[in-house]
Amino acid sequence: GQNIDQPTEMTATEGAIVQINCTYQTSGFNGLFWYQQHAGEAPTFLSYNVLDGLEEKGRFSSFLSRSKGYSYLLLKELQMKDSASYLCAVRDLSSGNTPLVFGKGTRLSVIA
Amino acid sequence: DVKVTQSSRYLVKRTGEKVFLECVQDMDHENMFWYRQDPGLGLRLIYFSYDVKMKEKGDIPEGYSVSREKKERFSLILESASTNQTSMYLCASSSESGETGNTIYFGEGSWLTVV
Repeated sequence: GQNIDQPTEMTATEGAIVQINCTYQTSGFNGLFWYQQHAGEAPTFLSYNVLDGLEEKGRFSSFLSRSKGYSYLLLKELQMKDSASYLCAVRDLSSGNTPLVFGKGTRLSVIA
Repeated sequence: DVKVTQSSRYLVKRTGEKVFLECVQDMDHENMFWYRQDPGLGLRLIYFSYDVKMKEKGDIPEGYSVSREKKERFSLILESASTNQTSMYLCASSSESGETGNTIYFGEGSWLTVV
C-alpha cells in the first residue's frame, strides 16, 4: 500500500519563500505530482517528478529524492493568491496500473 | 487544454433518491476517475476506468456504481443516496501517453448535498 504524509497547515508571509514537504512509502514508485487547490475549486496540476532532483517552473520548484521517499514544493516570492491547499500525489505501479494516491493536503495561508 | 466537464456543479437530493453525476472529457483520454473529497480525509478514489465498458473499484466503492459506455463519458451513480454521501465529487481523466506520466486532470467538481 501507500502512505503519504504532509503537514496539515502552514502560514507564510507575502514575498517570502515557503517549503512544503511530502514523504511517501511505496513499493513501486513511478512518479510524484504536486497539485494546487483553491477553496471550493478543483485541484490543478503544478509539477511532476520521476527522477531525483529539482524541477523549476517559474516561482514554483519541486524536488524529489527517491531513496529517501521525500519531496518538497518550494514557492518563492509568495503572493496572496498562493493561499491554497497543496496536494502531494504518488503513482505506484506495484499493484499494476493504479491511479494516483493523494496525500491529505497542506493548507497554506499567505499573510501580509 | 484538457477539458473535463461535470454536468452539475451543485445538487441537493433526498435520501433514497437515485443520483447521476455525469462527466465528459474532450482529450481522448483512456483513463477516467471519480473521487470524493471531504474535510480532513482528502481525496478518496471511488471508481476508475481504463477503457470503455471497463471499471475498477477504488478505495471506497460502497454505495456507488459507474458506467462507461463511451470513451469520453464516465458516470457515477448513487443507487440510493444517503446523508453520508454529502460531499464534493471530482471527476478526472488521464492519458497513458505524454511526458508527464499520466497526469490527472480534474473537472470543476460537483457539490452534492443529501437531505
